[in-house]
Amino acid sequence: DQQVKQNSPSLSVQEGRISILNCDYTNSMFDYFLWYKKYPAEGPTFLISISSIKDKNEDGRFTVFLNKSAKHLSLHIVPSQPGDSAVYFCEAILDHNAGGTSYGKLTFGQGTILTVHP
Amino acid sequence: NAGVTQTPKFRILKIGQSMTLQCTQDMNHNYMYWYRQDPGMGLKLIYYSVGAGITDKGEVPNGYNVSRSTTEDFPLRLELAAPSQTSVYFCASSHSPGQGPEQYFGPGTRLTVT
Repeated sequence: DQQVKQNSPSLSVQEGRISILNCDYTNSMFDYFLWYKKYPAEGPTFLISISSIKDKNEDGRFTVFLNKSAKHLSLHIVPSQPGDSAVYFCEAILDHNAGGTSYGKLTFGQGTILTVHP
Repeated sequence: NAGVTQTPKFRILKIGQSMTLQCTQDMNHNYMYWYRQDPGMGLKLIYYSVGAGITDKGEVPNGYNVSRSTTEDFPLRLELAAPSQTSVYFCASSHSPGQGPEQYFGPGTRLTVT
């Protein structure tokens, strides 16, 4: 049962335009969401996060929106740059302050390949 | 800071062989994790540790073992390698809860079992 889904395997965008990456989840108890970026032959790197008590978080060109009623998360990149071309993963965390973790509490989506064309 | 380092970067194993994937972090993080990533799939948690001497199973632990004798090191042991263990393995670490949920990943080990 995939609790976190990224339904678009890939996205192609022109440089300077907006990139919108989407993530859907099923468990309304998730309390933290994160986005990671991954280049080939490297590990994922943290990009931006949002707590479930917020609906928006912004960091430079990156903005994450959380729609709890729709159980939907999106990452906006404006303006997109060729260096943003990578795989983007969303992650959902349950009870991140509980003092423990388990596999049921850290769930990644399948990833979306973003290609930004010059 | 080197962050999270993993060795080796690549390895080819024959069926039935064993090996240890090494992982070291220099950020003094208590929490460490091992993931595998199969093509077109997200990261699946194999094992995790919340501190030296404490480990627990993740979502896909079968065929693997871990130990955590120090804060810095979290090796992953594959016994009797099988083709199903062909994957890319990532080690990660994170702060304790309340200090930020993001994980810091190593560069990965690409393992092929033939």
